[in-house]
Amino acid sequence: NAGVTQTPKFRVLKTGQSMTLLCAQDMNHEYMYWYRQDPGMGLRLIHYSVGEGTTAKGEVPDGYNVSRLKKQNFLLGLESAAPSQTSVYFCASSTSGNEQFFGPGTRLTVL
Amino acid sequence: GQQLNQSPQSMFIQEGEDVSMNCTSSSIFNTWLWYKQEPGEGPVLLIALYKAGELTSNGRLTAQFGITRKDSFLNISASIPSDVGIYFCAGNDYKLSFGAGTTVTVRA
Repeated sequence: NAGVTQTPKFRVLKTGQSMTLLCAQDMNHEYMYWYRQDPGMGLRLIHYSVGEGTTAKGEVPDGYNVSRLKKQNFLLGLESAAPSQTSVYFCASSTSGNEQFFGPGTRLTVL
Repeated sequence: GQQLNQSPQSMFIQEGEDVSMNCTSSSIFNTWLWYKQEPGEGPVLLIALYKAGELTSNGRLTAQFGITRKDSFLNISASIPSDVGIYFCAGNDYKLSFGAGTTVTVRA
């Protein structure tokens, strides 16, 4: 079991560029989440999904879009990156919405 | 999300010491979780608490779900150097809300 994997691990973008972060889990979890982590602010929920084909907004959804076309994958898109989106992005999955298992993170810098 | 106040923000440990940290909220949670994050990695679940008053251990770690359902604490007994990292509390009503973390470092 690989658990939760994220690609890429690192990325540098210029303002206005777009990119997609991929999260994959092999635990057959229904729930998947995208968080961002900024210094001193803990983890903040961007978007989440309670099952294949569903998505919902979290605490800080502006500037991001998501898709869950397959149960095992959850994609996070930035259509037009801004410096304020420089952060570490974590994906997580769970069976029940409680115990969430996290991936290793993607470190994104927007110049 | 809900506001969670986690304290202390940082602490220094000496090998062999017992240390504690806690998390409080103005709202009631159904579940409290404690995670540890090491540099360059994602948070790893340490302990999950599901019932008010519940006391649960995982090795040298002990956590309690406060009886008011608005707080939780984590205790690390007999600290060792590999206990360094950032510890996060998280409370769940229908989504997880995270505290800002307690950074644990070794006292020189």
